[in-house]
Amino acid sequence: GAGVSQTPSNKVTEKGKYVELRCDPISGHTALYWYRQSLGQGPEFLIYFQGTGAADDSGLPNDRFFAVRPEGSVSTLKIQRTERGDSAVYLCASSRGQGEGVFFGQGTRLTVV
Amino acid sequence: QQPVQSPQAVILREGEDAVINCSSSKALYSVHWYRQKHGEAPVFLMILLKGGEQKGHEKISASFNEKKQQSSLYLTASQLSYSGTYFCGTERGSSSYKLIFGSGTRLLVRP
Repeated sequence: GAGVSQTPSNKVTEKGKYVELRCDPISGHTALYWYRQSLGQGPEFLIYFQGTGAADDSGLPNDRFFAVRPEGSVSTLKIQRTERGDSAVYLCASSRGQGEGVFFGQGTRLTVV
Repeated sequence: QQPVQSPQAVILREGEDAVINCSSSKALYSVHWYRQKHGEAPVFLMILLKGGEQKGHEKISASFNEKKQQSSLYLTASQLSYSGTYFCGTERGSSSYKLIFGSGTRLLVRP
């Protein structure tokens, strides 16, 4: 596609439920990033993929968060037992690799009620 | 590890200039600059890879002082469309190329 695509654009879920957020990167981009952003804050790094493998997952806040990229393209961020504090905009981004511009999708606004 | 941006906020009149700074306590491989408008995703402006490198994009340019681990974004003859929050992002390189963002500088350009 022309840009990074994220679905859904909005997700409201109840506390304790499981959610999946999907990201479709720019075609040919090998690097894929997940961030989350709260109001008034900068994007907070969660995880970075190079190809199919997670090159750095040091930003995942706890073991309720998990992300996969099985074929080196589409990625899914999975959150188990959601908590109200997980509410934020989850941004996905992709790039050609190290030292290249990183391009963001429009994000998924997650609200946990 | 998060880069530090200054100032936190700037208010300009249309046509005025501004400088936004980004500094890191660690050696850097690259510095990225982004602009984000309210309710939208961050938009990539430019990336600087080499120490002392300068880049320009219309009336927006940036420099990267690798030795000082600092970068500056220069906005000249500001336009109303420049309003938004500017973020720098840094890659340390070596074992990790994750991109870490600063907390942002809010820029408001008034007529």
